[in-house]
Amino acid sequence: GDSVTQMEGPVTLSEEAFLTINCTYTATGYPSLFWYVQYPGEGLQLLLKATKADDKGSNKGFEATYRKETTSFHLEKGSVQVSDSAVYFCALRILNYGGSQGNLIFGKGTKLSVKP
Amino acid sequence: DTAVSQTPKYLVTQMGNDKSIKCEQNLGHDTMYWYKQDSKKFLKIMFSYNNKELIINETVPNRFSPKSPDKAHLNLHINSLELGDSAVYFCASSGGGVSFFGPGTRLTVL
Repeated sequence: GDSVTQMEGPVTLSEEAFLTINCTYTATGYPSLFWYVQYPGEGLQLLLKATKADDKGSNKGFEATYRKETTSFHLEKGSVQVSDSAVYFCALRILNYGGSQGNLIFGKGTKLSVKP
Repeated sequence: DTAVSQTPKYLVTQMGNDKSIKCEQNLGHDTMYWYKQDSKKFLKIMFSYNNKELIINETVPNRFSPKSPDKAHLNLHINSLELGDSAVYFCASSGGGVSFFGPGTRLTVL
């Protein structure tokens, strides 16, 4: 079935370091791909998305490119800040069921801690 | 204005009790969901509703019963609570291919 695999954490970086969180997926058809972020004690917020191959999603300095050939959607940021400390989830949206919005399938999450 | 809201934010209760979590969205979306996040932060779909009709029920025990009185609301009722039900429950709604999540309800069963 459809699934998402992302790198295990936790990831600890110093401020201004480069961030990569790997994400690969298995899906039938052509899913949409997402990164969500969960700050401590809060719900999930959409960080960025891509809906088709070669699309690049970007937001707040984060970016990820939908790579169909490698079934990947790696998250990157050139210079992380302490405020980026959170849990990051890669997700895919499976095909719609009879016209409804399909649910998300999540990776296990990667906890990022950024030290000053 | 909160897009997706849930109440309560925290719920502490004894084993065997029955409890409900309420969810409301003001985004005008047709589709709503319940997800469960376990202690290791893993998120999994429980239910999906479209226009008040159940679309997905992901092998959730029948002690869990969702109810959608209208398109903007999706409540979750849990009977005979068990220790393993302790988790954070997130409501979400979707429109335009994007899901918006509520703040979560942390359920602790003692």
